[in-house]
Amino acid sequence: GAGVSQSPSNKVTEKGKDVELRCDPISGHTALYWYRQRLGQGLEFLIYFQGNSAPDKSGLPSDRFSAERTGESVSTLTIQRTQQEDSAVYLCASSLGQRGYNEQFFGPGTRLTVL
Amino acid sequence: EDQVTQSPEALRLQEGESSSLNCSYTVSGLRGLFWYRQDPGKGPEFLFTLYSAGEEKEKERLKATLTKKESFLHITAPKPEDSATYLCAGENSGYSTLTFGKGTMLLVSP
Repeated sequence: GAGVSQSPSNKVTEKGKDVELRCDPISGHTALYWYRQRLGQGLEFLIYFQGNSAPDKSGLPSDRFSAERTGESVSTLTIQRTQQEDSAVYLCASSLGQRGYNEQFFGPGTRLTVL
Repeated sequence: EDQVTQSPEALRLQEGESSSLNCSYTVSGLRGLFWYRQDPGKGPEFLFTLYSAGEEKEKERLKATLTKKESFLHITAPKPEDSATYLCAGENSGYSTLTFGKGTMLLVSP
């Protein structure tokens, strides 16, 4: 398919363990975003990658959160020493990243449950 | 700080009963106002982008409008399949990230 894909779709982990979430953006999209959506809440921006520029990490809630992106392809969001408050749906989106064409297209999300 | 507020939080309509959802924003130098639809267990699906006050866009039973302070999503003669959470988001002129509202959960009963 041509859409954004994320894996795994569901992840259950124990408090204190590390988790890695993966995002495959739409081919040709230079911009990639990670969001967190807690139950009953709006989307919370985490991090933004644009081409080869330094990522905008201003939304990361703590130093336990980090993300990487290889070129203009796959991105991985890592959460270290998970806490129960990290339980949420983690959404990835990509866009063309060009002024006036910044519609973001979202993946289905990864539902993370920390026990 | 950029803010996007949506109202009502939830809306229940009968099939065919038209209504509007509101999105008010305080976004520095708004570059674009985005509307998304989100079904349970899925990622948001892009609907519209509005760039300037007075602009309108339509798609099937949905029409989005934009003023200098708020945006409306008008739903004409809704059907049960229009049931979803509708999200709006503003893009700041200095960034390419979006500030999202909490959404309006719409339920259309047959």
